[in-house]
Amino acid sequence: ETGVTQTPRHLVMGMTNKKSLKCEQHLGHNAMYWYKQSAKKPLELMFVYNFKEQTENNSVPSRFSPECPNSSHLFLHLHTLQPEDSALYLCASSQDLGQYGYTFGSGTRLTVV
Amino acid sequence: GENVEQHPSTLSVQEGDSAVIKCTYSDSASNYFPWYKQELGKRPQLIIDIRSNVGEKKDQRIAVTLNKTAKHFSLHITETQPEDSAVYFCAAVPGTYKYIFGTGTRLKVLA
Repeated sequence: ETGVTQTPRHLVMGMTNKKSLKCEQHLGHNAMYWYKQSAKKPLELMFVYNFKEQTENNSVPSRFSPECPNSSHLFLHLHTLQPEDSALYLCASSQDLGQYGYTFGSGTRLTVV
Repeated sequence: GENVEQHPSTLSVQEGDSAVIKCTYSDSASNYFPWYKQELGKRPQLIIDIRSNVGEKKDQRIAVTLNKTAKHFSLHITETQPEDSAVYFCAAVPGTYKYIFGTGTRLKVLA
């Protein structure tokens, strides 16, 4: 798969578990994003990284913890989640910050039980 | 706060007919307007975008129009085909990287 790759595609976790979502891009993009997609709601920006530095934390609860070790990889560490956190988590990248089209990954469908 | 309203939420058209999806934004600083298509179980993909210095942009069967005065923009799909069935998202970008997305329109093209 080319572009932006996310793993796993599906994840079911209990409220006391700790898990991580992974995103990888080899497009040479400098900016990477985490979005949350819930039914009947707009895509919700969570975190933004530019040149592996976090530039935005959109008031996301601390049970979501991002990590960007380099410009090609982005992680979302999850712990003590709530059932309302169940959603599709999408990673995206763009050439730079600003008005560039995103390349999205296929997402991780997360279910918290 | 900043928001983008998108209508309709669902749209069914007969194959070959046209489909129009409309978005209205609140932040007058918005000057970039992308549209994404998300097929069932797949990633959102950029299909067309427009910048505020242009009133219309066309790419084969897809066109986008922008009315900055009224703060609305629309996606037009002509000669619809079953493979156009998907959820379409608009977004307004007010000069930063903060995309403000609409809630999506589920388009169904009936064969």
